[in-house]
Amino acid sequence: GAGVSQSPSNKVTEKGKDVELRCDPISGHTALYWYRQSLGQGLEFLIYFQGNSAPDKSGLPSDRFSAERTGGSVSTLTIQRTQQEDSAVYLCASSSDQETQYFGPGTRLLVL
Amino acid sequence: GENVEQHPSTLSVQEGDSAVIKCTYSDSASNYFPWYKQELGKRPQLIIDIRSNVGEKKDQRIAVTLNKTAKHFSLHITETQPEDSAVYFCAASWGGGSNYKLTFGKGTLLTVNP
Repeated sequence: GAGVSQSPSNKVTEKGKDVELRCDPISGHTALYWYRQSLGQGLEFLIYFQGNSAPDKSGLPSDRFSAERTGGSVSTLTIQRTQQEDSAVYLCASSSDQETQYFGPGTRLLVL
Repeated sequence: GENVEQHPSTLSVQEGDSAVIKCTYSDSASNYFPWYKQELGKRPQLIIDIRSNVGEKKDQRIAVTLNKTAKHFSLHITETQPEDSAVYFCAASWGGGSNYKLTFGKGTLLTVNP
């Protein structure tokens, strides 16, 4: 079946603008994670969704970051008033058994 | 919170040699340890994982060992091939409340020279 998909694949924006990143998880996967990968760094956890439970937002770096998951499927990560330090690859992963996570191709965000 | 240290940051081997990457973790509650391979510009791909009730797991040329007492785990790749060249990440999670958010090491760039 289809894997995790993300859009856009690349996004260039100006400092101060808002951006929205989209994630389509594998069909039937109830758990969804967002991670951020800065240049030459490991992946950093941002937020976790599981079914209808309250999300774990403990990894969001500031209140400019928010995410939602509508209908238990598609998720959108929003970054308001983008800063240059927000430039990174934003990766989404989904899971059915809550352990094994399958990653999407990521969105490469560049803030000028 | 959990902290994962990964060594070495770069590793260069000759084709056919073995490669070993080591990770340590800080949270004794962690119980799930996956390894991901990431080729340049591609998504991370799970290559093997191990749970805390198992000490070793093997899948063809890849094996992972876990020492819970010492809180470290290692990836072993035997008979390396040029296509094994990539960045490898270890990670740890504890599944609290069914939340398996992963804490990653900073990665190891493995280069296999033909």
